[in-house]
Amino acid sequence: DAGVIQSPRHEVTEMGQEVTLRCKPISGHDYLFWYRQTMMRGLELLIYFNNNVPIDDSGMPEDRFSAKMPNASFSTLKIQPSEPRDSAVYFCASSPIAGGQYNEQFFGPGTRLTVL
Amino acid sequence: AQTVTQSQPEMSVQEAETVTLSCTYDTSENNYYLFWYKQPPSRQMILVIRQEAYKQQNATENRFSVNFQKAAKSFSLKISDSQLGDTAMYFCAFMGGATNKLIFGTGTLLAVQP
Repeated sequence: DAGVIQSPRHEVTEMGQEVTLRCKPISGHDYLFWYRQTMMRGLELLIYFNNNVPIDDSGMPEDRFSAKMPNASFSTLKIQPSEPRDSAVYFCASSPIAGGQYNEQFFGPGTRLTVL
Repeated sequence: AQTVTQSQPEMSVQEAETVTLSCTYDTSENNYYLFWYKQPPSRQMILVIRQEAYKQQNATENRFSVNFQKAAKSFSLKISDSQLGDTAMYFCAFMGGATNKLIFGTGTLLAVQP
């Protein structure tokens, strides 16, 4: 398996522009997570899905952020409009069904976003 | 709410020596999991080791082992025979309750010196 795939790996945009980050989870995994990593706030969970349904979006910073999972093999994180403070590395991770037990989260390589 | 604290922002160790990274956490959950992740300069998050809270035996993975003190809510990582490739940021993480949410500490930057 190719692992979790994220695109683009790097994104540079100007303030006010729309940004879309993409993620393809590992086939067969039921959970998908979006994390953001910054120097100030460290690694924080933004949102996660189970079977394509958003379960917890309490980490989404504000209405400018939205995430979708239209099918089991694709998810997007959209920022509109983008601001310089959104500059960060965004990670996508997936894990198999938990069923109340632990399952390892497999991380993608991340997307480094720079908003000028 | 659960919290994870790593009090060592940076550490340095000589190659072949042993180093211990500290982590404490706070939770009211009884069933949970603890993890150490490694993030090298490539940025990739790599799971190093995990510990189930209900297991008393400390987890071990080759040169990596943990000291899990449940009552003290402490979860330290010991790296034996440090190698240059161990140079990375190390994150302690918690997962508990009915969710799969990972809560990360702020990380410890480990430098292995030749």
